[in-house]
Amino acid sequence: DAGVIQSPRHEVTEMGQEVTLRCKPISGHNSLFWYRQTMMRGLELLIYFNNNVPIDDSGMPEDRFSAKMPNASFSTLKIQPSEPRDSAVYFCASSLGGLSGELFFGEGSRLTVL
Amino acid sequence: QKEVEQNSGPLSVPEGAIASLNCTYSDRGSQSFFWYRQYSGKSPELIMFIYSNGDKEDGRFTAQLNKASQYVSLLIRDSQPSDSATYLCAVRLSGGYNKLIFGAGTRLAVHP
Repeated sequence: DAGVIQSPRHEVTEMGQEVTLRCKPISGHNSLFWYRQTMMRGLELLIYFNNNVPIDDSGMPEDRFSAKMPNASFSTLKIQPSEPRDSAVYFCASSLGGLSGELFFGEGSRLTVL
Repeated sequence: QKEVEQNSGPLSVPEGAIASLNCTYSDRGSQSFFWYRQYSGKSPELIMFIYSNGDKEDGRFTAQLNKASQYVSLLIRDSQPSDSATYLCAVRLSGGYNKLIFGAGTRLAVHP
């Protein structure tokens, strides 16, 4: 099993540019999560999907952030326009759900906005 | 009040000692609880989950849950330098749909 696959692993961009992060969940998992991790705020849940439907996006910082899951095997997180305070590691995770449903994390996308 | 609270540490213990990590949560209806370990520069990985009051043991690790006190802990026996990492407590909130919220994590340092 390839696990959760994220791309790019590293992204350096300038303020104002559009950033698109991509995620392929584990096949058969029905829940997908986007988290952001910084030293100051820890691991924050941005949005999660269940069966490709966005369930809760209350963690999305502002309108500059958007996420989509067009099918069961692909999701994107887009930031437009990007700002220096968006610099963080963005993790995608997937799960089978249920009481003991474990989250499997991708390796993360480290974003630096200059 | 944060939904999941942990002491940030660092918690420093000598090799061979017991490390005790604690976590409190605010959602009284939460049903399942997880401990993840995260090495520097890596992604979190699951150590244990628990959903019944009491203790659950797995090798050197024991998770303890007290729903009345809204408290969950992780004990690591015979701590090893390789256990040095950040330990994240996660809570699956009530209301269905699998929403998992993490604490800020406790950094553990095991010194030889």
